[in-house]
Amino acid sequence: GQSLEQPSEVTAVEGAIVQINCTYQTSGFYGLSWYQQHDGGAPTFLSYNALDGLEETGRFSSFLSRSDSYGYLLLQELQMKDSASYFCAVRASYSGNTPLVFGKGTRLSVIA
Amino acid sequence: DVKVTQSSRYLVKRTGEKVFLECVQDMDHENMFWYRQDPGLGLRLIYFSYDVKMKEKGDIPEGYSVSREKKERFSLILESASTNQTSMYLCASSFAGRGHSGEEQYFGPGTRLTVT
Repeated sequence: GQSLEQPSEVTAVEGAIVQINCTYQTSGFYGLSWYQQHDGGAPTFLSYNALDGLEETGRFSSFLSRSDSYGYLLLQELQMKDSASYFCAVRASYSGNTPLVFGKGTRLSVIA
Repeated sequence: DVKVTQSSRYLVKRTGEKVFLECVQDMDHENMFWYRQDPGLGLRLIYFSYDVKMKEKGDIPEGYSVSREKKERFSLILESASTNQTSMYLCASSFAGRGHSGEEQYFGPGTRLTVT
């Protein structure tokens, strides 16, 4: 089977840094993605890691360690608008037709 | 901009009714997906399609069927709606390529279906 584990809820203060972890167990692995979803909105793509290391996109960074089956999303200089749910997702196969498997999501609350 | 549209934002149906949820994408994507989203359960894949007239079962296909007669349109069908199918339904599409371009799924706004 395939499973992804991420914390259900995280709370952080505006201006701070928060890390959302994701561990996965899949029959194969091709890459780890992150999606953001605001309440009432559609999930939107944030980042993608196929190789070990850190990928940075503005205030958001994503990290992958293939040997540890682990990744995280790092959000810096938190803003109130970052309050949302964040999902990690794994593609288990090299085939572009293989669907993503999503984690259950982490609800991030940014407080003043 | 990529656009994925869904036929309704809110839908209320009665138990036993046949329900059609339509999804259209305008980016010539090969792959299309139907998910349902329930609190605490994340996004669960119902069906997906990687080409016209092709379909594959996802994790929870029971009680659902799909149709893809044209590349841009992917329909989800509830043959006989039941109350446990009350949920948010999300459609998504993506390229079939590998690497970054193949990873990004574009989601529609969702249809909140209530079955009474």
